[in-house]
Amino acid sequence: EVQLVESGGDLVQPGGSLRLSCAASGFTFSSYAMNWVRQAPGKGLEWVSVISPSGNNAYYADSVKGRFTISRDNSKNTLFLGMNSLRVEDTAVYYCAKKNSGSYHFDYWGQGTLVTVSS
Amino acid sequence: QSVLTQPPSVSGAPGQRVTVSCTGSSSNIGARYDVHWYQHLPGTAPKLLIYDSTNRPSGVPDRFSGSKSGTSASLAISGLQAEDEADYYCQSYDSGLSAYVFGAGTKVTVL
Repeated sequence: EVQLVESGGDLVQPGGSLRLSCAASGFTFSSYAMNWVRQAPGKGLEWVSVISPSGNNAYYADSVKGRFTISRDNSKNTLFLGMNSLRVEDTAVYYCAKKNSGSYHFDYWGQGTLVTVSS
Repeated sequence: QSVLTQPPSVSGAPGQRVTVSCTGSSSNIGARYDVHWYQHLPGTAPKLLIYDSTNRPSGVPDRFSGSKSGTSASLAISGLQAEDEADYYCQSYDSGLSAYVFGAGTKVTVL
């Protein structure tokens, strides 16, 4: 059974930093691209970032480019999201999502972790 | 403003058929990128409902179906049930933005 478990969400002040983790199990982690998707309070889903299976390639939404860094440790089946220069508008539930190989969709999602940026 | 446009809400009585539309442009749905649909209940993990515009993952009831034409797509729910009350999101890929894009979501209410 595929499982994705996010952690690391917290209350942080504007301008602060945070690192999210996503522990994966139930599939060959190193074979799949992984994503972060977020949902701000009362808003819809917003794609944040994707990383290739090897970790050599990463892409970001314009809203987080230059501030967020996606990475992965295939030896520990774990996905990360480093977040710097956090803004109030980054407040959201952050989900990690497994990308289906050969298509542009996300076939499994975690339960999410809440990041609150507030003074 | 979302790249993909969905109605904010749709509703129907139990047993009825409802549809949720998703309108894109020539850089996403019209560029032959498939549309995918997710069901999301507050506080839970989003669930893949339809992939590659028309396909259902294993375990998804055949009451759910998807279609795509031109720059638009639709999700249909037939035989509406109380448990179908949730938010539904369409998703595709946009070549102009080089990004995965979502609609703003549609709340389906069972009357």
